[in-house]
Amino acid sequence: SQQGEEDPQALSIQEGENATMNCSYKTSINNLQWYRQNSGRGLVHLILIRSNEREKHSGRLRVTLDTSKKSSSLLITASRAADTASYFCATDRSKLTFGKGITLSVRP
Amino acid sequence: DTAVSQTPKYLVTQMGNDKSIKCEQNLGHDTMYWYKQDSKKFLKIMFSYNNKELIINETVPNRFSPKSPDKAHLNLHINSLELGDSAVYFCASSQGLIQETQYFGPGTRLLVL
Repeated sequence: SQQGEEDPQALSIQEGENATMNCSYKTSINNLQWYRQNSGRGLVHLILIRSNEREKHSGRLRVTLDTSKKSSSLLITASRAADTASYFCATDRSKLTFGKGITLSVRP
Repeated sequence: DTAVSQTPKYLVTQMGNDKSIKCEQNLGHDTMYWYKQDSKKFLKIMFSYNNKELIINETVPNRFSPKSPDKAHLNLHINSLELGDSAVYFCASSQGLIQETQYFGPGTRLLVL
């Protein structure tokens, strides 16, 4: 069964606003990763957070992990039109399992 | 300079045909993967090889056969193509095993008519 599920399924915001995307999962994990996929392209790794970490930053990205709630969030601050893409969380057990993705549209 | 490359980028073929997709990575990684992404963007792992050995073999029809001639290459051969095989197939690689960051190729868009 699918491990990670993202929420919302689609998000539309104005350039400059912050975008928050959530991911919930069902079983214990070692790490949780977030990936971005631009239309017609492959997935690009954004950030990996380990199960013993609670928060991680990378540029305009902030990821949190709450293992007690089995959830993670990805915050993109000061969004740009170029952030328009699908975002996936992926959790690991014996394999990396991806959610269905969140479609983020950033309006210029 | 491409880290993970796949050929072809597009593949349009008739039902019943046999086709192959090739993947190469120049990152020196030990592990390679094949994923299938359906029309709803759901991405599912199919196979994984570590140092040329099969380590993940998901519930995939045996018409799909991966081959890893060396740890930099992982090819996917599909026999007797069916309409439901239409999807985007992604190759990926990672330095270590599953939990590591994975680097994806650009995808091969397969359309079976």
